Amino acid sequence: EAGVAQSPRYKIIEKRQSVAFWCNPISGHATLYWYQQILGQGPKLLIQFQNNGVVDDSQLPKDRFSAERLKGVDSTLKIQPAKLEDSAVYLCASSFNRVNGYTFGSGTRLTVV
Amino acid sequence: AQRVTQPEKLLSVFKGAPVELKCNYSYSGSPELFWYVQYSRQRLQLLLRHISRESIKGFTADLNKGETSFHLKKPFAQEEDSAMYYCALTKGGSEKLVFGKGTKLTVNP
Repeated sequence: EAGVAQSPRYKIIEKRQSVAFWCNPISGHATLYWYQQILGQGPKLLIQFQNNGVVDDSQLPKDRFSAERLKGVDSTLKIQPAKLEDSAVYLCASSFNRVNGYTFGSGTRLTVV
Repeated sequence: AQRVTQPEKLLSVFKGAPVELKCNYSYSGSPELFWYVQYSRQRLQLLLRHISRESIKGFTADLNKGETSFHLKKPFAQEEDSAMYYCALTKGGSEKLVFGKGTKLTVNP
C-alpha cells in the first residue's frame, strides 16, 4: 500500500511569514494526526482528526496554527505568522485503528530564520 | 498527565553485545506502550507494542507495571540496529501517542 505522503520535504521561511504543509494519508485510514518534532525531542501531537472532525487540538497554538481536513482525506497544516521557535519537523501520521498503530510520513522540515 | 521518560539520550555498544534501552512512564491508568524506531533517512515506524508480546528484529520489551517501565532489549546488537528509538504510550481508549525524547543507539563494529 502507498504510504503517508507529505509535501514539501523542506521549507525555509522568514519569521512572520506564513507556510502550509500538506498530507495525504493511507487510503481508508480515518484518523489523521499532525505532530511537531523539535530537534532533540520526541514528536508532540498538535491535532488529531477523525474523518473530517477534530478529536484533539489541545496542544495546537491556535493563535497562529490552523489545520483542516475538509473531505476527510487530505489535510493541510498552516502557520501564520511563523516564529523562530516553530522550526521543527512536522510529521503527519494516519491510522486505521489503535491496535495497528500509526503510519508516519517522511515529514516536512521547517526552518524559520 | 501521562509522561514518558527515556533517561539515555545516547547509547553506544559494540556489535554482539546486549543492549537495553530504558523507558519509564507515568500514568495512573492502564496504558498501552509502544516502541518506535527511526533509521537514518527513513521515516518513523512502529517496532513493537506491548499488547502483542512479539519479538521484532530480535528486540523484546516487557511491561513492568510495578516499576512503570517498558525497557527494550536485544541480546546481541547488530550494526543495522543503529537508529533513534522512541518509547511512546497511549492511555486506554485513546489513540493519542505521547512520546519520550528518544535514545540514539549506535552499534559499533
